[in-house]
Amino acid sequence: QVQLVQSGAEVKKPGASVKISCKASRYSFSSYAIYWVRQAPGKSLEWLGSINADNGKTTYSQNFQGRVSITRDTSASTAYMELSSLRSDDTAVYYCAREDFWSLSYYYLDVWGKGTTVLVSS
Amino acid sequence: DIQMTQSPSSLSASIGDRVTMTCRASQSISTYLNWYQQIPGKAPKVLIYAASTLQSGVPSRFTGSGSGTDFTLTISSLQPEDFATYYCQQSYNTSILSFGPGTKVDMK
Repeated sequence: QVQLVQSGAEVKKPGASVKISCKASRYSFSSYAIYWVRQAPGKSLEWLGSINADNGKTTYSQNFQGRVSITRDTSASTAYMELSSLRSDDTAVYYCAREDFWSLSYYYLDVWGKGTTVLVSS
Repeated sequence: DIQMTQSPSSLSASIGDRVTMTCRASQSISTYLNWYQQIPGKAPKVLIYAASTLQSGVPSRFTGSGSGTDFTLTISSLQPEDFATYYCQQSYNTSILSFGPGTKVDMK
């Protein structure tokens, strides 16, 4: 079935960077945008940014502008999210998700990766 | 930015109960509203999009309604697998995705 497989858990020190991968399978990777969403322990969902997998155009949350970079490798059907200058409050589960559309204007996230835990600790 | 709020933040219910929760947007978003279910330790799963359209494979006991700023998710007869947290998400502003804080449904 259609799936997104994320890379494994990471432990980082404050100030470091983390790069997470999200490999798509069983669908045409370039036909859908990929979103990155995180969830801190006990908290709600927070959007970091997204990438059009076809043309590589990115959109970032202002909350992470300058610290987040989303890229993709179409030959590998993989999207990447790099977050820099990590702080303890960046400790969270990071999800990638596929955007689907209905009626050309309604979009929603229909396929999610299982999440990657990032622990930031000195 | 469009802010999303949800109420209640948590509720307790029994198997078979009818459960209703609400989501409110800080400005009109027409019917650009999605609902997700998240079971602890799992990724979110889309239940409803465009305020009232049931995602394929989602049981018909889930119903979404509303437009403008006020939306409702109803579970007609709560089942054991429905104990979870439910999030609303606006898709009106395609450049900024935002979620509500969630409603946790637990067992009475």
